[in-house]
Amino acid sequence: GNSVTQMEGPVTLSEEAFLTINCTYTATGYPSLFWYVQYPGEGLQLLLKATKADDKGSNKGFEATYRKETTSFHLEKGSVQVSDSAVYFCALRGGYNKLIFGAGTRLAVHP
Amino acid sequence: DGGITQSPKYLFRKEGQNVTLSCEQNLNHDAMYWYRQDPGQGLRLIYYSQIVNDFQKGDIAEGYSVSREKKESFPLTVTSAQKNPTAFYLCASSAEQTSGGPTDTQYFGPGTRLTVL
Repeated sequence: GNSVTQMEGPVTLSEEAFLTINCTYTATGYPSLFWYVQYPGEGLQLLLKATKADDKGSNKGFEATYRKETTSFHLEKGSVQVSDSAVYFCALRGGYNKLIFGAGTRLAVHP
Repeated sequence: DGGITQSPKYLFRKEGQNVTLSCEQNLNHDAMYWYRQDPGQGLRLIYYSQIVNDFQKGDIAEGYSVSREKKESFPLTVTSAQKNPTAFYLCASSAEQTSGGPTDTQYFGPGTRLTVL
């Protein structure tokens, strides 16, 4: 069945460091892939998405490329800020638009 | 402002009581969803609805019920049959459920944290 695996957190970085959060998936076909972000006590916000192989989603300095060869959708940012501290979820779109989520990766950025 | 509202933000319930969580959207979306989030875990789908007066069970529907009498509203009832109801509940909506295109993106509300005492 469909599944998403994310790197375990927490990820702790200093401000302006480079960020990578790994995400790999198992799925039939080529589903749409998503990154959502959750700030403390809030719901999820869509960060970026990619709908087909080799697509690159980007938003607010974050990027992720849909790699079908490695079934991956790693999230990257060149220079993180304290305000990026949150939990990041990788997800894929299954049948009937059902979203399959990874367990989430907590990011803590220190000044 | 268009968006999804959930109320209340915090909810406390005694064991054996049913409780209803509200979800309203003014995005004119056809599809709506309920997810449950437990600490350190991803979200799991409880119920979803493609159109008014229609809904289907998700992965963890036992102990929950829903209704979809209006396009903008999708309330979730947590019944006394739900063995471990303490969790963070998130409602979402999307323009069309099965299009596979841009309109399949799900947008989330702020969530309701339910605690059973």
